[in-house]
Amino acid sequence: DSGVTQTPKHLITATGQRVTLRCSPRSGDLSVYWYQQSLDQGLQFLIQYYNGEERAKGNILERFSAQQFPDLHSELNLSSLELGDSALYFCASSPQGSDTQYFGPGTRLTVL
Amino acid sequence: QKEVEQDPGPLSVPEGAIVSLNCTYSNSAFQYFMWYRQYSRKGPELLMYTYSSGNKEDGRFTAQVDKSSKYISLFIRDSQPSDSATYLCAMSVIVPGYSTLTFGKGTMLLVSP
Repeated sequence: DSGVTQTPKHLITATGQRVTLRCSPRSGDLSVYWYQQSLDQGLQFLIQYYNGEERAKGNILERFSAQQFPDLHSELNLSSLELGDSALYFCASSPQGSDTQYFGPGTRLTVL
Repeated sequence: QKEVEQDPGPLSVPEGAIVSLNCTYSNSAFQYFMWYRQYSRKGPELLMYTYSSGNKEDGRFTAQVDKSSKYISLFIRDSQPSDSATYLCAMSVIVPGYSTLTFGKGTMLLVSP
């Protein structure tokens, strides 16, 4: 158990809908990262937050957005969902001053 | 050319074998190297990390980095069926607090009893 929690574990929804994925980092970790993992693309970095502020952006679509709250939990919002958004979404956190990332168990999103 | 290349496998070995997993990379600025293990449908689990060239050992696992060749390896000694998983290499440029990881696509390892 890495100490990173993610909810929900599974999400099934329809095209065009909007969903919110939630992540709680390890105790004391200020950085939160979001990744998408699909079979053909592997693990792709989406976005990083540090202590409430966006710090780095990767291959995140404009339909996706994220935020980190004062209690350091983070949410990833996916809107206008398409079939191709079906994937595993992982959250990771890292301690201050470290680049080592610890991953949560993931949310499996299925878009029908 | 992709930044990080990793053979997807699967790599099938008998129990007790020595396993060698490898990644090559193109970005010479990468300085921080990690190996993650991922069981099916689970989150990646950090196995080892290193900042420098050379070898780093932890139990049955040895991570090797050759920056001159842009090549990293993970060796598993006395492999066990429980080692069956996908192994992901990851690396980053070190910018404290701003480093983002670039992952290989992973190598699936199957260890048969």
